[in-house]
Amino acid sequence: GDSVTQMEGPVTLSEEAFLTINCTYTATGYPSLFWYVQYPGEGLQLLLKATKADDKGSNKGFEATYRKETTSFHLEKGSVQVSDSAVYFCALSGAAATGGGNKLTFGTGTQLKVEL
Amino acid sequence: NAGVMQNPRHLVRRRGQEARLRCSPMKGHSHVYWYRQLPEEGLKFMVYLQKENIIDESGMPKERFSAEFPKEGPSILRIQQVVRGDSAAYFCASSPLVPATRETQYFGPGTRLLVL
Repeated sequence: GDSVTQMEGPVTLSEEAFLTINCTYTATGYPSLFWYVQYPGEGLQLLLKATKADDKGSNKGFEATYRKETTSFHLEKGSVQVSDSAVYFCALSGAAATGGGNKLTFGTGTQLKVEL
Repeated sequence: NAGVMQNPRHLVRRRGQEARLRCSPMKGHSHVYWYRQLPEEGLKFMVYLQKENIIDESGMPKERFSAEFPKEGPSILRIQQVVRGDSAAYFCASSPLVPATRETQYFGPGTRLLVL
């Protein structure tokens, strides 16, 4: 079945440091890939997405590139802020043609802590 | 444009009681998904519904759990005879009807269920 593997956290960085959160996936067919962010006590917010190989999703300074050859979708940001502290989830959505339907398969999440 | 709404935000039940969680999708969305997040874990898919139809319930426990999305009103996730292991955050997500954008799911703030 489909699966998503994320690097374990917590990841602690100083403000303005470079961020990478690794994400790799296993899926049949051609899934869409997502990054969601969860702030304490809140629901998930869509951060960015990519629907086909070599697509780059970007939002609020974050970006991730859909790499089919390495089955990866690593999240990066050039300069993090304290306000970026949250839990980040990588997810995939199976293509309807493969029967994956519309359900999202999530990684376990990576907690990011940004300090001054 | 109101987002996905869930209520209650917090629910406390004693073992053996019933828990009823409600979800109102975003305006114009006709697809609803329920996910469960256990402490320190990622989200796990439970069920996918359209109006008056359960499309995929492969993630639902076989007993005590049921879901519906009636023609009128919110989607309901019902847990009968709750046990302590049901304590978790339950998130609802919705997506639009249009196939090209159907894969993007928008999440509600969640209902945090505590079973005493």
